[in-house]
Amino acid sequence: DAEITQSPRHKITETGRQVTLACHQTWNHNNMFWYRQDLGHGLRLIHYSYGVQDTNKGEVSDGYSVSRSNTEDLPLTLESAASSQTSVYFCASSESPSSGRYEQFFGPGTRLTVL
Amino acid sequence: RKEVEQDPGPFNVPEGATVAFNCTYSNSASQSFFWYRQDCRKEPKLLMSVYSSGNEDGRFTAQLNRASQYISLLIRDSKLSDSATYLCVVTRGSGNTGKLIFGQGTTLQVKP
Repeated sequence: DAEITQSPRHKITETGRQVTLACHQTWNHNNMFWYRQDLGHGLRLIHYSYGVQDTNKGEVSDGYSVSRSNTEDLPLTLESAASSQTSVYFCASSESPSSGRYEQFFGPGTRLTVL
Repeated sequence: RKEVEQDPGPFNVPEGATVAFNCTYSNSASQSFFWYRQDCRKEPKLLMSVYSSGNEDGRFTAQLNRASQYISLLIRDSKLSDSATYLCVVTRGSGNTGKLIFGQGTTLQVKP
């Protein structure tokens, strides 16, 4: 069965360190998204990609970057981790909008703590 | 004003009860609508899409009122396993960007 996986599932790091969160999907979806979820804010879009070599900033992109070198993976990098980036991070994927299908499918999430 | 607004609850209901959640959205250009379910500390999962004519999936019924920019979810015969947070989700505009806007969710707790 197709799926979307994230690793690590839990991560504790220190302020100032670079951290990379992995996301891998086997849906063969063109679109991939990174969200963070915090109490009181719901899901907020960090970055997204419509395909290989394409990346775009979401509403809360400061301090984060992504790269898309193949269809399956969209790693999220925190360049210099800050305590404000303590959160739960979800990766999601979806078909191209041209398909008329807009629903997104989510990975299990990564719980990141920055000390 | 938030783009998607939901009553956060919590809604505490006994097993077997019928419960309804409402959601309003601000962008009249939104074209596709969904309800997602999120269990505590887990990922959101698609519960159902919402169609203009209304649609039903077992005990769940979704309704859309485009004129009022209002979406609802009705759960009949509530089960303990229905306890979760329900997210109202709409496309950003027509959906051609592929982006979705998520409400903050309504929490349901079904009691024995």
